[in-house]
Amino acid sequence: GENVEQHPSTLSVQEGDSAVIKCTYSDSASNYFPWYKQELGKGPQLIIDIRSNVGEKKDQRIAVTLNKTAKHFSLHITETQPEDSAVYFCAAAGGLTGGGNKLTFGTGTQLKVEL
Amino acid sequence: DVKVTQSSRYLVKRTGEKVFLECVQDMDHENMFWYRQDPGLGLRLIYFSYDVKMKEKGDIPEGYSVSREKKERFSLILESASTNQTSMYLCASSRERYNEQFFGPGTRLTVL
Repeated sequence: GENVEQHPSTLSVQEGDSAVIKCTYSDSASNYFPWYKQELGKGPQLIIDIRSNVGEKKDQRIAVTLNKTAKHFSLHITETQPEDSAVYFCAAAGGLTGGGNKLTFGTGTQLKVEL
Repeated sequence: DVKVTQSSRYLVKRTGEKVFLECVQDMDHENMFWYRQDPGLGLRLIYFSYDVKMKEKGDIPEGYSVSREKKERFSLILESASTNQTSMYLCASSRERYNEQFFGPGTRLTVL
């Protein structure tokens, strides 16, 4: 089935700096790539997603880029703030292997924004 | 405001017990999902359902079963709980297959 690898597992940045989290996927037919943020004691919440017909998408301080040739996508957070501290998960869906109708998640990145 | 609720935040059970985890969504979503979350492993799909009385196996269905008798409710069943099923269990729902999934707060299950 689909395999999604996510790096780094932990990331510490200073407030105001940028943070980048990278994911790779194995099924070239995957066409939907969401990013979720999980705060302590809560379930994950969608923050941005991208579909395979675009290469980049932005929403205020958050952006996602997709390189279908290399099968990788990245989350970029600019001007980080303490409230950005959380666990971030990437995911992929729509592929042909192992059932294309479900999300396969990465292993998560613990982001810490230090004052 | 959309909402997914799970029956318990914390649950402690004994090995061999039958365990029911309940999930209810109030958004009239067709699709519902059960995941388990373990450190370093991310979220792994156990079972999902695209319609009432319909279910499909996810990546790790062994030791679990599910029930969806009504559109808004999706239950996860551990027929005979084992210690390796100690985990955080997350329920989610979505309107369409490739669309935003809304998650509940999770149930932390400990099997002694």
